[in-house]
Amino acid sequence: GAVVSQHPSRVICKSGTSVKIECRSLDFQATTMFWYRQFPKQSLMLMATSNEGSKATYEQGVEKDKFLINHASLTLSTLTVTSAHPEDSSFYICSAPRTERNTIYFGEGSWLTVV
Amino acid sequence: GEDVEQSLFLSVREGDSSVINCTYTDSSSTYLYWYKQEPGAGLQLLTYIFSNMDMKQDQRLTVLLNKKDKHLSLRIADTQTGDSAIYFCAETLGGYQKVTFGIGTKLQVIP
Repeated sequence: GAVVSQHPSRVICKSGTSVKIECRSLDFQATTMFWYRQFPKQSLMLMATSNEGSKATYEQGVEKDKFLINHASLTLSTLTVTSAHPEDSSFYICSAPRTERNTIYFGEGSWLTVV
Repeated sequence: GEDVEQSLFLSVREGDSSVINCTYTDSSSTYLYWYKQEPGAGLQLLTYIFSNMDMKQDQRLTVLLNKKDKHLSLRIADTQTGDSAIYFCAETLGGYQKVTFGIGTKLQVIP
């Protein structure tokens, strides 16, 4: 079964609205989680590192006010796409490293369509 | 620097073997992965290999790693139409947390 759960798997929202995507580690704690984005016909690019209890670290070129990340607990990180535009339509996926197993797990991903 | 390269497209006939190739540039890569993404679906981890290994086999999948040439390959034996998908090669550096992906190879299986 899934070790990292991501929700929703698909979402359609109107331009100008905000949408929240959740990433949960199901049976382990993750002080760090990562958010990736896949542009059409391109690879997955790291957007930001989510740190439990502190601010997220954003990769160059990623607008932190646009993509709000909150890591309020050891099992949950959220990505909020604010004031969404059609160009924000993409596949977003999170990952969580499981330290004691030296393994990283990815969520199922979320397809966002902004209309 | 971090760079993972793959060819964009591969077409094979059903029942044949598929070989998807990947090159990476950073010799400090510790884990190398193969992920599968079917159209409109999420990311599925197929297999991974530690950088101190040169081969790993898992049922129809065989991963070969040539560290000298920084070359990774995924062989799918007896390719089926259900194997049609995009396959991503990925690496982690100096650990296992941040993952760098290749652009993905689209595998088309012809019945």
